[in-house]
Amino acid sequence: DSGVTQTPKHLITATGQRVTLRCSPRSGDLSVYWYQQSLDQGLQFLIQYYNGEERAKGNILERFSAQQFPDLHSELNLSSLELGDSALYFCASSVVGSNEQFFGPGTRLTVL
Amino acid sequence: QKEVEQDPGPLSVPEGAIVSLNCTYSNSAFQYFMWYRQYSRKGPELLMYTYSSGNKEDGRFTAQVDKSSKYISLFIRDSQPSDSATYLCASRLTDSWGKLQFGAGTQVVVTP
Repeated sequence: DSGVTQTPKHLITATGQRVTLRCSPRSGDLSVYWYQQSLDQGLQFLIQYYNGEERAKGNILERFSAQQFPDLHSELNLSSLELGDSALYFCASSVVGSNEQFFGPGTRLTVL
Repeated sequence: QKEVEQDPGPLSVPEGAIVSLNCTYSNSAFQYFMWYRQYSRKGPELLMYTYSSGNKEDGRFTAQVDKSSKYISLFIRDSQPSDSATYLCASRLTDSWGKLQFGAGTQVVVTP
């Protein structure tokens, strides 16, 4: 158990809908990262927050957004969902400056 | 073209054999190199990381980085069935605030 929690574990929804994925980092970790893992693209970095502020952005679509709250939990919002958004979404956390990111168990999103 | 390339396998070896995994990368500015292990339906977990070129050993695992050829390797000695997993290499810049570029992952199967 990495100490990072993600909810829900599974999410099934329809095209055009909006969903919110939630992540609670390890106690003491100020950095939160979101990744998308799909069969064709592999594990791709989406976005990073540090203590509530956005710090780095990867190949995140404009339909996706994220935020980190004062209690350090983070949410990833996916809107106008398409079939191609079906994937595993991972959250990871770390202490600042560390090379070790601790990954949560992931949320499996299925868009029908 | 992805910045980190990795053969997805699968790679099947008998128990006790040496597992040899490789990645290549294109960004010569990458300074940190990691190997993550991911079991089925789980989040990735960090195995080892190295800074710049050189070797690093941890128990049965040895990581090597050759920056001149942009080549990353992981060796697993005395492989066990419990080593069966997907192994992902990752790289990052020094000042990237932890943004990782992952390879596609190589599936390893160790047969008893």
